[in-house]
Amino acid sequence: DGGITQSPKYLFRKEGQNVTLSCEQNLNHDAMYWYRQDPGQGLRLIYYSQIVNDFQKGDIAEGYSVSREKKESFPLTVTSAQKNPTAFYLCASSRAAGGNEWQFFGPGTRLTVL
Amino acid sequence: GDSVTQMEGPVTLSEEAFLTINCTYTATGYPSLFWYVQYPGEGLQLLLKATKADDKGSNKGFEATYRKETTSFHLEKGSVQVSDSAVYFCALSGVLGYSTLTFGKGTMLLVSP
Repeated sequence: DGGITQSPKYLFRKEGQNVTLSCEQNLNHDAMYWYRQDPGQGLRLIYYSQIVNDFQKGDIAEGYSVSREKKESFPLTVTSAQKNPTAFYLCASSRAAGGNEWQFFGPGTRLTVL
Repeated sequence: GDSVTQMEGPVTLSEEAFLTINCTYTATGYPSLFWYVQYPGEGLQLLLKATKADDKGSNKGFEATYRKETTSFHLEKGSVQVSDSAVYFCALSGVLGYSTLTFGKGTMLLVSP
């Protein structure tokens, strides 16, 4: 079955450590996205990528980094520069980057920084 | 910039009641509009969408009509079930070149037996 895999589902890290969240899709989608979800805040866009080896900052990119070396993979690194990293992180993909394209979401990773 | 405003929750209903969750938007041009649903601890699932004015999206008994004149996309269901309890997100995707989704803050729906 096609879909998006995010691992792990729960992640715990100590303050000051970098951590990388995995996102893999087998939908053959060109575009991929990372969102952060906080209670009562809805979803906020961190980074997005239209094609391999290209990505753009979203609304809250500070303290995060990404790479897009393969079409199916879009890992997100939460760096020690991110002041409040505890949140639910959602990865998504879409067939293309056009306005009518709906996004398909993964199950999410809940990151807790102790 | 683009924005989406949803009614605050939680919305609490009894099973078989009528549901309306209000959504209004601000955007340049004619965006596409979406409703997503999120069950506890999970990612978002597309519920329905509409791409132009007066389009009606529908799925699983839920409906929403794209109203350009009122810039609204209200979600409705005639008879809710306990299994509909979830958080519902309204979103838009702009049409100015490449665009991403802009989400509302979500509305929690709680349905009791």
